[in-house]
Formats: sequence, structure tokens, C-alpha cells
Amino acid sequence: EAGVAQSPRYKIIEKRQSVAFWCNPISGHATLYWYQQILGQGPKLLIQFQNNGVVDDSQLPKDRFSAERLKGVDSTLKIQPAKLEDSAVYLCASSLDPGLAGRYFGPGTRLLVL
Amino acid sequence: DAKTTQPPSMDCAEGRAANLPCNHSTISGNEYVYWYRQIHSQGPQYIIHGLKNNETNEMASLIITEDRKSSTLILPHATLRDTAVYYCIVHHTGANSKLTFGKGITLSVRP
Repeated sequence: EAGVAQSPRYKIIEKRQSVAFWCNPISGHATLYWYQQILGQGPKLLIQFQNNGVVDDSQLPKDRFSAERLKGVDSTLKIQPAKLEDSAVYLCASSLDPGLAGRYFGPGTRLLVL
Repeated sequence: DAKTTQPPSMDCAEGRAANLPCNHSTISGNEYVYWYRQIHSQGPQYIIHGLKNNETNEMASLIITEDRKSSTLILPHATLRDTAVYYCIVHHTGANSKLTFGKGITLSVRP
């Protein structure tokens, strides 16, 4: 079974620029998550989708971050404009259901904002 | 979700059992104990979860105390590839439950 795919793997941008990350979840997984992991910390949930609807975006900084999952499969996370403190690894995860099932994480996109 | 407490780090010798402790004294009746690990430069990997009974799979065993206030993840024969950060998370299974990661415990397996 193919895992969660993410691209790009690495990105370096200057502050105030825009950036977008892409995620393709495991086939059949209805729930998709985006996490932010700052160096030395555990991942922090940014947004959770159930199919193409948002279940929880309470920790998403909506003034600069946006995410969509238009057809209930792939998802994109965008930052516009980026700040220095956005430097982190952005992880995408998916699960068969949001309750009991384990979450399967992609390799992440490492973002450096200069 | 209830909070968990883990020591920051531990080590063990290759081939020996690694016993990773976790305290979750405020766990409530409908909350499960989940374990994930994160190998350097990779995304977290689901290991195992349980409610009150001990659980075993191909990766590890999970021992939960009778009062459910603590648990131990056991890697029966640790290898160098098991060196990682291990996260113990208490999580109820409702659709809107957040899987909240702490700092985890860094396990170093030495040759």
C-alpha cells in the first residue's frame, strides 16, 4: 500500500513570499490532517478535513494560512505571506476514520523562511 | 484530551527490551492510549493503541495498568533502527478529538 505522499520535500523562501505544499493521502482515507512541527517540538495540528469539509481549523493562523481539499482526495496548504517563525516541517497525515484508527503520516515538507 | 508525562530520554542496548514509561493520571474512561514514534527526518509512525487491556502487535506491546493511570510501551528486542522519539498520547475517539503530541521520549539504542 502506497503511503502518504508530500511535495516538495524541501523549500527555502524569503519572508513575505508565498509557498504551497501538496499532499496525496492513502487511497480511501477520508480524513486528512495538516500538522506543523517546529524543531524540538511535537507536531501541532493545523487543520483536519473529513472528505472535502473542514472539521477543525481552530489552530490554523487564518490571516496567512489556507488549506483546501476540493475533491476530497489531494490537499494543498498555502502560506501567504510567510514569516520567519513559519520555518518548520509541515506534515500531512491521513486516516481511515477520525476516531479509532491510527494516523499515517507523510515524510513532511521542510520549510525554511529567510 | 488528558495530558501525558514522559521522561525526556532513555537508552538501551541493542537486542535488549526497551520499556518506555508514560503517566496519564487524568485519563478518562473513554480515552485510549496511543503510541507513535518519529525517526529522524521522517513523519511520525503509528505503533499501537489500547483502552484497558494489554495489546501486542508486530512492532510492540502495550501494557496498561489496571487503574489506567500509566502505561509502558515495550520493544522486545531493540535495534539501532528503533532510535527515535516516542510519543505517548491519550486520545478519545470522537470525530473532533485532537491527537495532541507532547515532546515525547527520545530513545537511543546503543550497539
